[in-house]
Amino acid sequence: NAGVTQTPKFQVLKTGQSMTLQCAQDMNHNSMYWYRQDPGMGLRLIYYSASEGTTDKGEVPNGYNVSRLNKREFSLRLESAAPSQTSVYFCATPGKTGTNVLTFGAGSRLTVL
Amino acid sequence: AQKITQTQPGMFVQEKEAVTLDCTYDTSDQSYGLFWYKQPSSGEMIFLIYQGSYDEQNATEGRYSLNFQKARKSANLVISASQLGDSAMYFCAMRPEDNTNAGKSTFGDGTTLTVKP
Repeated sequence: NAGVTQTPKFQVLKTGQSMTLQCAQDMNHNSMYWYRQDPGMGLRLIYYSASEGTTDKGEVPNGYNVSRLNKREFSLRLESAAPSQTSVYFCATPGKTGTNVLTFGAGSRLTVL
Repeated sequence: AQKITQTQPGMFVQEKEAVTLDCTYDTSDQSYGLFWYKQPSSGEMIFLIYQGSYDEQNATEGRYSLNFQKARKSANLVISASQLGDSAMYFCAMRPEDNTNAGKSTFGDGTTLTVKP
């Protein structure tokens, strides 16, 4: 997962608490993405940023906000966490040139009690 | 909208044998990319193989090959000479070909592969 760094790796929240997941990439890509992976399921796109200063909703944006702070960083915020947001969150950016195959961070495992 | 279907929740294979993981897709896009990721128990997402919709030859990467049948909208992953380390969850995914939307990938629900010694 070289090039995409996520923090924290693990977090436990109580319902209603807020938190921010951080993501940074050092590959100088314009676009960045946040996905979530629920148990036994594939990844679903939450939000993405095509370039610095722009963000757009993906398939499952409700309950989340994002900030593209600069070209390197793309954060995901849960304003009022709910148990349904218990999931593993992956940040991603295009990896190999020519294919736009995604390179993922190591993931952030979030549990909301 | 794009959709990926993986109909095999779990598969078993004997070590050193070949195994095929099924993937069918649906899209209205004329050009798109298909790929497979491996997710071991450690949780990271590892890219395995990529196939563009206009590529005439099936993609191969070492022991991995992608059996692409465009008319049937299938993109099956073939792993030859299975190893114990191949035990993992495998995800089929697709994305639009245009650069603006290239990262907006759609994933299947995965197939858990277990390699028996």
